[in-house]
Amino acid sequence: DQQVKQNSPSLSVQEGRISILNCDYTNSMFDYFLWYKKYPAEGPTFLISISSIKDKNEDGRFTVFLNKSAKHLSLHIVPSQPGDSAVYFCAARVTGTASKLTFGTGTRLQVTL
Amino acid sequence: GAVVSQHPSWVICKSGTSVKIECRSLDFQATTMFWYRQFPKQSLMLMATSNEGSKATYEQGVEKDKFLINHASLTLSTLTVTSAHPEDSSFYICSARDPQRKADEQFFGPGTRLTVL
Repeated sequence: DQQVKQNSPSLSVQEGRISILNCDYTNSMFDYFLWYKKYPAEGPTFLISISSIKDKNEDGRFTVFLNKSAKHLSLHIVPSQPGDSAVYFCAARVTGTASKLTFGTGTRLQVTL
Repeated sequence: GAVVSQHPSWVICKSGTSVKIECRSLDFQATTMFWYRQFPKQSLMLMATSNEGSKATYEQGVEKDKFLINHASLTLSTLTVTSAHPEDSSFYICSARDPQRKADEQFFGPGTRLTVL
C-alpha cells in the first residue's frame, strides 16, 4: 500500500522555467511533509518541509504548497537550473512516530539548457 | 555539518554469505538511526529504527533475524544481512537524526549497493 505517491516518474523542464513536482498521499494522519533531493550514488538531502497547519512554505527558489483537503502537495522550483537535475522524493510523517518517514517513489527532474 | 557516511559503498557477495554495512555520523552524535532499502524505481522503504544502546525496532515484514542491526555507539550503527540471497540485492541507505536539530530532520548516508550472486 503506497501511502505517498508521486505519479510522474520523470519531468523535463527548460532552464529558467518553473518546475512543478507533485505528490499525493492517502494517510490523513500525516501532518508533516518533506521534500528530498537525490543525486546518483548519494543519499537524499533535505530540501524543504511544511507542516499541515500551513498551506505554503517558501525558501529561496523552492516553494512547497499543501492542499490538505485534496491530500496533495507540490514543490515549485523557479527558476529551474541545470544543477536542479536530480530525483526528488516527497516524504510524510505522523507526529509522535519517532521521525519515521514514508517516502514516495520519486520524480526524476531533468533541467535542459 | 551533519554528515553521515556508509561503508562499503558497494558490495558483491555470494549467496549464503553475510554482509555487514556500517553507518556513521561523522560530526554529531546520533541517538537514532534509520535503515532503508530501495529497489529499482521504488521508494525508500523503512526497514528498522536503530536506537543507541537498545534493540532495533523493525517494520512489519522485515525479518529481524535476517537483518541484524547493532547501534553500539552514538556514531555507529551496523546492518548485517545474514545468509544473503539474490532477492536481498538492493540499495541500502541509512539516516541519522541529530538530537540537537529539529526532530523531523534526518541526514542520509550515500547508500550501499548490495548485489548477491
